[in-house]
Amino acid sequence: AQSVTQPDIHITVSEGASLELRCNYSYGATPYLFWYVQSPGQGLQLLLKYFSGDTLVQGIKGFEAEFKRSQSSFNLRKPSVHWSDAAEYFCAVASSGSARQLTFGSGTQLTVLP
Amino acid sequence: DAGVIQSPRHEVTEMGQEVTLRCKPISGHNSLFWYRQTMMRGLELLIYFNNNVPIDDSGMPEDRFSAKMPNASFSTLKIQPSEPRDSAVYFCASSLLGGSNTEAFFGQGTRLTVV
Repeated sequence: AQSVTQPDIHITVSEGASLELRCNYSYGATPYLFWYVQSPGQGLQLLLKYFSGDTLVQGIKGFEAEFKRSQSSFNLRKPSVHWSDAAEYFCAVASSGSARQLTFGSGTQLTVLP
Repeated sequence: DAGVIQSPRHEVTEMGQEVTLRCKPISGHNSLFWYRQTMMRGLELLIYFNNNVPIDDSGMPEDRFSAKMPNASFSTLKIQPSEPRDSAVYFCASSLLGGSNTEAFFGQGTRLTVV
C-alpha cells in the first residue's frame, strides 16, 4: 500500500527566507506525486505534480519540488517566502495504475513571521 | 468551469439526524472522490467512483455512511444516523482518469458539526 510521511508538523520561517518542506513516500513502483496547499477554510489547491521526466518540477506561486527516487522523497522548496504563503501543505501520492486515488500525508502547517 | 461545487458549505445537525452532502464534479471528469478531514486523522479517502460506479469504498467508516453517484454530474454522501464523531470537513474531488494529467480538483468542502 502507498503511504506518505511529512515529518514536520509545523514550520515557522521569516518572510523572505527560504523554505523546504519534507515529504517521503512509500510505493512499489514509480509514483505520481503532488503537493497541495490549503488556506484556512478553503479546499486544497494543487501547487505542482510529478509524473515522469525532469525530476525538478516547477509549480505555481514560485514553488518547486524535486523527486529523488533514491531517497523516496519529494521535497517542496521556495527561495523566498511571502506572508501569503502561510497555510497548510499536503504531499500526496497516487498509484501509477488505473486506480489513481490520492493518499495524503498528515500535512505541514507553515507560519510566516513578518 | 466553476470547479467542483459542494453544498452546503456548513451544516450543523443534531445527533441522530440524517445528513446529506452534495457534490457536483467538474464537467467531463470521470472520477469522483469523497474525503474526510479531521485533526486527528488528517485527510482520509472514504470512497471513489469511476464512471459513476463505486470502485473502492473501503474507507467508509461504517454502515451509517453511504454514497451515490446517480449520474456524471452529481454525487451525494449520506450519514444516517449522524453522531458527534462524524464532525469533520468533507471534501469532494474530481479528476479525469485515463489521461496523463491525473490531478484531482477539490471543492471547498462541507464543514459538518453534529451536536
